[in-house]
Amino acid sequence: GDSVTQMEGPVTLSEEAFLTINCTYTATGYPSLFWYVQYPGEGLQLLLKATKADDKGSNKGFEATYRKETTSFHLEKGSVQVSDSAVYFCALVKQGAQKLVFGQGTRLTINP
Amino acid sequence: DVKVTQSSRYLVKRTGEKVFLECVQDMDHENMFWYRQDPGLGLRLIYFSYDVKMKEKGDIPEGYSVSREKKERFSLILESASTNQTSMYLCASSLFPDYNEQFFGPGTRLTVL
Repeated sequence: GDSVTQMEGPVTLSEEAFLTINCTYTATGYPSLFWYVQYPGEGLQLLLKATKADDKGSNKGFEATYRKETTSFHLEKGSVQVSDSAVYFCALVKQGAQKLVFGQGTRLTINP
Repeated sequence: DVKVTQSSRYLVKRTGEKVFLECVQDMDHENMFWYRQDPGLGLRLIYFSYDVKMKEKGDIPEGYSVSREKKERFSLILESASTNQTSMYLCASSLFPDYNEQFFGPGTRLTVL
């Protein structure tokens, strides 16, 4: 079945460091891909999305590019802030499907 | 501002009790979802509903039921709570036919003793 695999956490970085959180997926057809973020004590929020190959989603300084050849959607940010500390979830949905499939989540902690 | 609210942030129940978790959205969304979130497992879909009185099983429906009598309200019911249902429960909603962007509530952390 369809699945999403994220890099193991937790990830701890210093402020202003470069961030990459890896995400790969397994799915037939052409899924849409998402990154959701969960700040402490809150529900998930959509961070960015991409709906077709080579699309780049971006928001709040984060970017991710839909790479069909490597079935990947890695999340990147050039300079992280303490306020970026959260749990990040990669997810996919297939065309016409009703369900999001989530990865296991990656906890990110940024130290000042 | 769009909003999904859940009736409790924290809940403690005993094994065998019947538990109701309530979710309300104010966005007039057709679709509503219940997930449970466990460390290392991400979010797993329990049930979803695409219309009033309509429901479909998700990936882990065993031990749960749902009710949707009004468009804005979606309830998750644990008929007889068990310790392995201790978890964080998240409700979400989305606009038909866009199942993609789901709006989440803050979650209910349920402990079953």
